[in-house]
Amino acid sequence: AQTVTQSQPEMSVQEAETVTLSCTYDTSESDYYLFWYKQPPSRQMILVIRQEAYKQQNATENRFSVNFQKAAKSFSLKISDSQLGDAAMYFCAYKDSGYALNFGKGTSLLVTP
Amino acid sequence: GAVVSQHPSRVICKSGTSVKIECRSLDFQATTMFWYRQFPKQSLMLMATSNEGSKATYEQGVEKDKFLINHASLTLSTLTVTSAHPEDSSFYICSASQGAAYEQYFGPGTRLTVT
Repeated sequence: AQTVTQSQPEMSVQEAETVTLSCTYDTSESDYYLFWYKQPPSRQMILVIRQEAYKQQNATENRFSVNFQKAAKSFSLKISDSQLGDAAMYFCAYKDSGYALNFGKGTSLLVTP
Repeated sequence: GAVVSQHPSRVICKSGTSVKIECRSLDFQATTMFWYRQFPKQSLMLMATSNEGSKATYEQGVEKDKFLINHASLTLSTLTVTSAHPEDSSFYICSASQGAAYEQYFGPGTRLTVT
């Protein structure tokens, strides 16, 4: 079974600074997808970024980028120029050829002024 | 972008009664819908996967007779919590997908409180 591990229950960053959230996963598959989701206090799940395992290039979406290390099974999220609106729970998720998303336990990000 | 709605957003029911939660894909046809449960400050736990016109596939430990899932059309899935008890109080989230290779789009969730 695939497992997703987020080792940082809580992180804090100052506004305008950069923060990196960690995620590791375990799989024997070669073809899969990795995601970072944001869950703000409203609890609506929002897709932040997606990475296909076959792509060597790291995905980026504006201030959000990932460091995908396939051999190390690591998928970290970097948030640049942090904003107050970035405060939320962040979940790392894995999906292979099946339907289901496997979520990590989440990292609570606090952004301080 | 793809929109998924859930209704109701909040529901309070008495112990022993049943409650139905609806999940709708508003602008796409969802061949597969998912139901998750989330306890406070915890991750999402997949309860079941349903394909349109088929019986739902439940995750281990989820009671099929307690959590009835129906996916009768490509835009609607329902979760019925039967004979609800206080321990069923939780946040229930649905998501919808056009297929295994496609994104899952999440609904806004339903907070169920059983008194």
